Parts: sequence; C-alpha cells; structure tokens
Amino acid sequence: SQQGEEDPQALSIQEGENATMNCSYKTSINNLQWYRQNSGRGLVHLILIRSNEREKHSGRLRVTLDTSKKSSSLLITASRAADTASYFCATGNAGNMLTFGGGTRLMVKP
Amino acid sequence: DSGVTQTPKHLITATGQRVTLRCSPRSGDLSVYWYQQSLDQGLQFLIQYYNGEERAKGNILERFSAQQFPDLHSELNLSSLELGDSALYFCASSPPTGARTEAFFGQGTRLTVV
Repeated sequence: SQQGEEDPQALSIQEGENATMNCSYKTSINNLQWYRQNSGRGLVHLILIRSNEREKHSGRLRVTLDTSKKSSSLLITASRAADTASYFCATGNAGNMLTFGGGTRLMVKP
Repeated sequence: DSGVTQTPKHLITATGQRVTLRCSPRSGDLSVYWYQQSLDQGLQFLIQYYNGEERAKGNILERFSAQQFPDLHSELNLSSLELGDSALYFCASSPPTGARTEAFFGQGTRLTVV
C-alpha cells in the first residue's frame, strides 16, 4: 500500500498561476521528497526536505513539511506550460527506500 | 539525463514467458532500487541492492528476482509473466553517502504482456 496520498489527483490551471499540491503520509519519516514525471517517462527529483525542516525553496518551488500533521505541500509559483506533468511525493526512511503517493496530474494551459 | 541507463526501453512478450530487465546505475552509486509503476498499483518499491547485496525488499512477487553484479549493474528477472505484470519498471540509484538522499531514476522499461 502507498504511504502517501496526494491531493488533488488532478489540477488544471492557467499559465502564470500558482499550483499547490498536498501530500499526506502515515508513518514517521526521515525525509520527504517530491518528484516530477512527464508522461510515461522517468521520475526527476525536484526537492528533498528533511524531517527536522519546515520549509524549503528551490527556484519556483516551495515545499513545506508539517510532521505533526504528517503532511507536506508543494507550491509551484508562476507556472508555465512546461510544468505540465505528474508530481509525486515520496517518503524516505531506512535504506533510502522511497514510498510514493498516488501523484497529482498538473495541467498548465498556455 | 539522470545517468541511470535502463534497457530495453520497450518489451512485448507473451504470458508465461520470462524476461530480464537491465539497469546501469550512475557512476559511483552503490545502491540500486527497482520500482514498478502500474495504473492500478501506482509506484511500488520492489527491491534494493547495495554493493551486490540485497538490502531491502518491498512488494516483489516470488516470480520476480533481482541481482546486482560486481560491476554494480543490476538485472530484474520476471518469470511466468501474467497480463497484470504489464507496467513500467524503473531502476534508480543513489550515492553511497550515510545521509538519506535523492534517488536518480532511469527512463524505465515498458513491459507489455499479451
């Protein structure tokens, strides 16, 4: 079974708008990671936030982590058509094995 | 390009057959992970090898097996294939650091069982 559940499952926005995706997980974690997948292709790592961190930025990405609520959010600001993809959260624990959520399908309309 | 190479990219085979998927990790990475992505199960961790030794096992069927060779490439063997085994199979590798870190994924092998 999957550790994380993402919300929403699908999101459609206009170029220039912000996109927010949420992830909830069930057990304690070492870190939480976000990955991006273009249609049927490999996953690309976006950002990693450790369990003792609350917020992290990378370019147009902002990730928050609330371990008390076992939740994380990914914010993509000023979205572009090229951001259209599926986004997955993954929790990392012992051995660096990743447990993925179901993903959010993001469509950014030009 | 992640530096992780998977072959073949596509594979079509019949039920009951056996196939081997190959993965070459990034240079210097000792850990190799195999994941399966299907429409109904999502992305599932199958198995991890570290420097030739099995390190962790996930939802891997008994019909599936893997190994990591001395040159660190890995193979995932799928036997007695069923229609439900049709999926994308990803290999990932990660650096040999003590800290938990990101994984680098290959482009995957798309397996279709007919």
